[in-house]
Amino acid sequence: QVQLQQWGAGLLKPSETLSLTCAVYGGSFSGYYWNWIRQPPGKGLEWIGEINDSGSTNYNPSLKSRVSISVDTSKSQVILKLSSVTAADTAVYYCARRPDVRDTYALDYWGQGTLVTVSS
Amino acid sequence: EIVLTQSPATLSLSPGERAILSCRASQTISNYLAWYQQKPDQAPRLLIYDASNRAAGIPARFSGSGSGTDFTLTISSLEPEDFAVYYCHHRSSWRSPYTSGQGTRLEI
Repeated sequence: QVQLQQWGAGLLKPSETLSLTCAVYGGSFSGYYWNWIRQPPGKGLEWIGEINDSGSTNYNPSLKSRVSISVDTSKSQVILKLSSVTAADTAVYYCARRPDVRDTYALDYWGQGTLVTVSS
Repeated sequence: EIVLTQSPATLSLSPGERAILSCRASQTISNYLAWYQQKPDQAPRLLIYDASNRAAGIPARFSGSGSGTDFTLTISSLEPEDFAVYYCHHRSSWRSPYTSGQGTRLEI
């Protein structure tokens, strides 16, 4: 059974860098894109970006200047970094899996979510 | 940028009734649409992909239809565990970002 387990700092001050890790258990790490999505309190889903096991990335243009997603294939982990955070970055952050298949965009497995709060 | 508009914002029904949720795209998106269910304090769960295909393990009472700009998620007979928020979700290609509807809250 595929499981995505996330962790990272839950409370940040403005201008700090958000860092979250997503570890993949029980399934292959290759053959997929690993996505980060966030959800502000009471709002919808905002896509942040994705990466595959080869390190190929795609980012949301609205966040691209502040986002970096990387992989550690030896540990089957995906790391999200978001710099210069503000209160607007307060959200639950999720990692999710997308099969690396042409024209396939559904996100079939999700992590449990990590609430990140930005406050001075 | 493609905008997804879900209606209604809130749908109040009883167990056993039929639920019909709508998602309209601002321009044609072929069948590149997914539906997710989200319960409080849980991650979204994939229900439907490519507009009409049920994901693994999803009960047959959930069905999706539509193409182009108008899409529907139907729950044929509501079970108590179906009361949640539902999102439609789209991506045109690997070059473009995902977009999400604002959600429909299905309440008892």
